[in-house]
Amino acid sequence: EAGVTQFPSHSVIEKGQTVTLRCDPISGHDNLYWYRRVMGKEIKFLLHFVKESKQDESGMPNNRFLAERTGGTYSTLKVQPAELEDSGVYFCASSQDHGIYGYTFGSGTRLTVV
Amino acid sequence: ILNVEQSPQSLHVQEGDSTNFTCSFPSSNFYALHWYRWETAKSPEALFVMTLNGDEKKKGRISATLNTKEGYSYLYIKGSQPEDSATYLCAPTVGFQKLVFGTGTRLLVSP
Repeated sequence: EAGVTQFPSHSVIEKGQTVTLRCDPISGHDNLYWYRRVMGKEIKFLLHFVKESKQDESGMPNNRFLAERTGGTYSTLKVQPAELEDSGVYFCASSQDHGIYGYTFGSGTRLTVV
Repeated sequence: ILNVEQSPQSLHVQEGDSTNFTCSFPSSNFYALHWYRWETAKSPEALFVMTLNGDEKKKGRISATLNTKEGYSYLYIKGSQPEDSATYLCAPTVGFQKLVFGTGTRLLVSP
């Protein structure tokens, strides 16, 4: 089966610009998660979708970040306007059955804001 | 706030050495503990999911144990190989589904 796919793999944008990251989960996985790792720090939770609904968005840093999952399939994470501290690797993961069998991660989008 | 600690932060061993890492986490409200292997620019690869106190899991030369009462897990690599070089991440789940990662242990295995 195809894994979790993220696009783009890299993005370099200027401060103040907008960037949209995309995640295609494993087909049939209702649960989709976004995580972020900033340089030298641990990977941190951003939010969790169950189908198209936001189950938990407690990790979203501020209102410059907007996540959507229309139709309950792929998800987008938009950062607008981007700031320097938004630089990092954004991971997407998906799971079945509340993750008891594990979570499958994508390879991430490396975002650099200059 | 859940505090997950991993030690050591980094480790450099020779090919053939066996090694182990520690993951410490709060024992209250425990649900599951995940171990991942991550190489930069690749997807974190799931190694183990453990839920029960005393769980032991093995995958090839890698094994892990879990103590939920005292809040720690050990990951062991027997006979390290250069291809084992990666960052090893542990993450308990909080609130049933949210992973809380430690900062990881970066392993370098020299030929």
